[in-house]
Amino acid sequence: DIVMTQSPDSLAVSLGERATINCKSSQNVLYSFNNKNYLAWYQQKPGQSPKLLIYWASTRQSGVPDRFSGSGSGTDFTLTISSLQAEDVAVYYCQQYYDNPYTFGQGTKLEIK
Amino acid sequence: QITLKESGPTLVKPTQTLTLTCTLSGLSLSTNGVAVGWIRQPPGQAPEWLALIFWDGDTRYTPSMKNSVYIAKDTSNKQVTLKLTNVGPDDTATYFCAQHTNGFFDQWGQGILVTVSS
Repeated sequence: DIVMTQSPDSLAVSLGERATINCKSSQNVLYSFNNKNYLAWYQQKPGQSPKLLIYWASTRQSGVPDRFSGSGSGTDFTLTISSLQAEDVAVYYCQQYYDNPYTFGQGTKLEIK
Repeated sequence: QITLKESGPTLVKPTQTLTLTCTLSGLSLSTNGVAVGWIRQPPGQAPEWLALIFWDGDTRYTPSMKNSVYIAKDTSNKQVTLKLTNVGPDDTATYFCAQHTNGFFDQWGQGILVTVSS
């Protein structure tokens, strides 16, 4: 199985500041034939289901604010929130869909400092 | 608008078979390319993908649970069913169904918390 490891496990950022979450896969998730990274990011608020934010590592899902961005390739990826808002408090997960089984990172809990 | 809703028992006994149903709205399982998956999330833990079914009936399972999980669809009733056999305490989790697109899950149900306990 491809192991997804996120860092840090938790993060406290001041309102309006940048938040950065990292995700590392144990194997490459970039398909050379289409040059796509099979990596998604989700946001999960307490008591809610996960919400898709980013797919193909950097494509923002429709309706997701542009303060959310994804970057990286191969095995190292980053989710950036450019200016933290109060409603961004949540747990964030990365997920690879390069290979069966699809696997998720352990999550990063984002709080307000 | 696409919605998915999980239903089923919230308490099952060890060794029993758990059967959950996902009812779709705004999404047809007869449409080319449509797929629905099941993902579970134990309390305080990360999500874990379990199974997937495509519009053409093709299925995918997480290898570690391939012998204990079964997914099926009822296209006319817009439902996807998940069966998990011989459950144990480790199967206590919130179970989600979600629309699958190219590998990621873009629409999720609200989830159903299932507790395995005698």
